[in-house]
Amino acid sequence: SQKIEQNSEALNIQEGKTATLTCNYTNYSPAYLQWYRQDPGRGPVFLLLIRENEKEKRKERLKVTFDTTLKQSLFHITASQPADSATYLCALEASSASKIIFGSGTRLSIRP
Amino acid sequence: EAGVAQSPRYKIIEKRQSVAFWCNPISGHATLYWYQQILGQGPKLLIQFQNNGVVDDSQLPKDRFSAERLKGVDSTLKIQPAKLEDSAVYLCASSLDRGAGDTQYFGPGTRLTVL
Repeated sequence: SQKIEQNSEALNIQEGKTATLTCNYTNYSPAYLQWYRQDPGRGPVFLLLIRENEKEKRKERLKVTFDTTLKQSLFHITASQPADSATYLCALEASSASKIIFGSGTRLSIRP
Repeated sequence: EAGVAQSPRYKIIEKRQSVAFWCNPISGHATLYWYQQILGQGPKLLIQFQNNGVVDDSQLPKDRFSAERLKGVDSTLKIQPAKLEDSAVYLCASSLDRGAGDTQYFGPGTRLTVL
């Protein structure tokens, strides 16, 4: 069956360092991969989308890579700040007509 | 622009009772989604509407859950009767159109506790 795995353990990073989150998937061929941020008591907020034919995407301090051979996406936050502390969700979509499947998320804490 | 609105924000009921949630999507958004998010898990799609038609309800427990989107704008999700395992946050999201890689905008969610 389709499976998405994100770091189950919380990630604790020193402010200013680069945080790297992992999203692995099996039995799936996504056309798109999205990353969302979710704060406690709030709905997810879209951050970045990367297509299967793209290797890397950047937006300000965020960078996403997508390796369809390894079936893995990496999400990087450079120069991390305490305000970046949240849960980060990856979501896969096989085609424009199919539903999005979310991973369980990784909780990121940035300590001052 | 105004975001996705949901109400109520919190609801506590006893098992076997009924409950309804309301969602008003972003104006002009054709597609509306209802998700269930159990604590510690990612959102799971329950139902997706394109205007007022159902696109996907394959994961909706139809024996107890129902949803409608009359006039292709706001939507209600109902649970009747509720079970303990329905305790979760129910998220509504909308997107402009169900095109390739369309961005979804989420509401704040309704936290349901079933006792």
